[in-house]
Amino acid sequence: DSGVTQTPKHLITATGQRVTLRCSPRSGDLSVYWYQQSLDQGLQFLIQYYNGEERAKGNILERFSAQQFPDLHSELNLSSLELGDSALYFCASSVRPNSPLHFGNGTRLTVT
Amino acid sequence: DQQVKQNSPSLSVQEGRISILNCDYTNSMFDYFLWYKKYPAEGPTFLISISSIKDKNEDGRFTVFLNKSAKHLSLHIVPSQPGDSAVYFCAARLQAIRQGGSEKLVFGKGTKLTVNP
Repeated sequence: DSGVTQTPKHLITATGQRVTLRCSPRSGDLSVYWYQQSLDQGLQFLIQYYNGEERAKGNILERFSAQQFPDLHSELNLSSLELGDSALYFCASSVRPNSPLHFGNGTRLTVT
Repeated sequence: DQQVKQNSPSLSVQEGRISILNCDYTNSMFDYFLWYKKYPAEGPTFLISISSIKDKNEDGRFTVFLNKSAKHLSLHIVPSQPGDSAVYFCAARLQAIRQGGSEKLVFGKGTKLTVNP
């Protein structure tokens, strides 16, 4: 158990809809990262937050947004969903930005 | 453009033998390399890492070798055990360009290792 909690585990929704993925980092970790893993792809970095502030952006679409709240949990919002957004979405946390990441078990999103 | 490449999607070895997982990278600015292991229905877990100023790091049955001139690293598992069967991801860290900026971690696509009893 990494200590990183992601909910829900599975999500099935239709194209055009909006969903919110939730992540609770390990106790004491201030950095939260979001990654997307599509079929046969590596982990694609989406966005990073540190202590409530956005720190780095990766290949995150404009239809996607995220935030980190004062209690350090984070949410990833995906809107105007397309079939290609179907993927595993992982959240990871670390004590500080250069520390190894601890991943949650992911949310599997299926867009039909 | 994939900066971190794991060219073998899968690898099968016999229990007790050595497993060698390979990773190539293109960006000479990567300063730190990590290996993560992933079991089905779980998130990746950190396994071992190596700084770009070293050429070898060992932790029990796991050893990572780095060849900077060839932009190549490998993970050796000796002896391999059935419980090592998982997907192994190679990752490389790109340091922040400016002070106060954030580093970026780039992952390969993974290699599925199967250790047969």
